[in-house]
Amino acid sequence: AQSVTQPDIHITVSEGASLELRCNYSYGATPYLFWYVQSPGQGLQLLLKYFSGDTLVQGIKGFEAEFKRSQSSFNLRKPSVHWSDAAEYFCAVASNAGKSTFGDGTTLTVKP
Amino acid sequence: DTAVSQTPKYLVTQMGNDKSIKCEQNLGHDTMYWYKQDSKKFLKIMFSYNNKELIINETVPNRFSPKSPDKAHLNLHINSLELGDSAVYFCASSQVPLAGAGNEQFFGPGTRLTVL
Repeated sequence: AQSVTQPDIHITVSEGASLELRCNYSYGATPYLFWYVQSPGQGLQLLLKYFSGDTLVQGIKGFEAEFKRSQSSFNLRKPSVHWSDAAEYFCAVASNAGKSTFGDGTTLTVKP
Repeated sequence: DTAVSQTPKYLVTQMGNDKSIKCEQNLGHDTMYWYKQDSKKFLKIMFSYNNKELIINETVPNRFSPKSPDKAHLNLHINSLELGDSAVYFCASSQVPLAGAGNEQFFGPGTRLTVL
């Protein structure tokens, strides 16, 4: 069965500081991996995705993520966080059958 | 134009009532989903339909009945509402996953259901 673990429930960073959100997955085949962001009171929006090829993927809003098969990880990074990045972040793994499993989310707080 | 829309945005009702949430997508996608997000923001898939056919049905009480009149619509009907049904319900859609392509999902804004 596929699963996703986001070890950090809540992360606080200062504006302008770098950010890394951790994601570990479990899946029997080549994973399809996603990061979504949920702003307060909103639905989820896709930040980036990995299917194959280059293990470093670029997304919207200056985010990037690196797929590391040996570590079963897909960590999200941003070099300089903006106050508007404060939100809930979800990592997800999807199967070919169309089922997505989401992690429990990481709440990002940005300090001025 | 809204890609995935849900109505209503808020729904407050009494225990025991029956209610429906509607979802429509104008993206031409073949697959639609319902998710439940609880107060701790945990997101769990409930159902998935592909071209009006049910393809994923997680362990959801049979008080919840999805209905897909066409591939652009997926409605969720809930009978005999219980306090524990209070949550935010998200509809999403995606293309039929192709081999090697995964399935990016597009989410609606959510329906906040409060059962009193």
